[in-house]
Amino acid sequence: AQSVAQPEDQVNVAEGNPLTVKCTYSVSGNPYLFWYVQYPNRGLQFLLKYITGDNLVKGSYGFEAEFNKSQTSFHLKKPSALVSDSALYFCAVRDSGYSTLTFGKGTMLLVSP
Amino acid sequence: EAQVTQNPRYLITVTGKKLTVTCSQNMNHEYMSWYRQDPGLGLRQIYYSMNVEVTDKGDVPEGYKVSRKEKRNFPLILESPSPNQTSLYFCASSLKTAAYEQYFGPGTRLTVT
Repeated sequence: AQSVAQPEDQVNVAEGNPLTVKCTYSVSGNPYLFWYVQYPNRGLQFLLKYITGDNLVKGSYGFEAEFNKSQTSFHLKKPSALVSDSALYFCAVRDSGYSTLTFGKGTMLLVSP
Repeated sequence: EAQVTQNPRYLITVTGKKLTVTCSQNMNHEYMSWYRQDPGLGLRQIYYSMNVEVTDKGDVPEGYKVSRKEKRNFPLILESPSPNQTSLYFCASSLKTAAYEQYFGPGTRLTVT
């Protein structure tokens, strides 16, 4: 079985400050990890993924994520938040032996001016 | 433009009246999937298809049907909708399974009264 947890329903950060959105996962095989963002009244957009290789993955809009196998985490980060980053962020995991994708419950990121 | 389209975008119906939500992609993707999004629950996978004529259940398949007769289309069928199927539905596609990111449609907001 595979699962993913996003422990924070909401993250608040001031514009210009660094941000972190947390994600932990559980799989029995090798994990394929993804981050998606959802803006109001829109579908989900792909941000970045970890499949193999370098533990630090860079994605769209200046976001990056660090894969930590020992802590089974894949936290999303950005050095300097923008108000326009305010959105709902989803972490997702797929066990390499499975065809289904499991999403976390989502974390609302609010960036204040 | 590469995209996933869904129709209708909004639908209000009554209990028991059969409905179909269409999904189409123009990227020649093999993998297609349906999700429902509910507050506090994130996205949950309903059904997925790895290729034409190949479909399988996701995490919450009860009350839904799908078909994949053509590569580009993956309709979601609710034969006898019930109020607990009121939700926001997303169709998604990816080149293949596993390591590939998914492209999401704009969503269909369904209300069953």
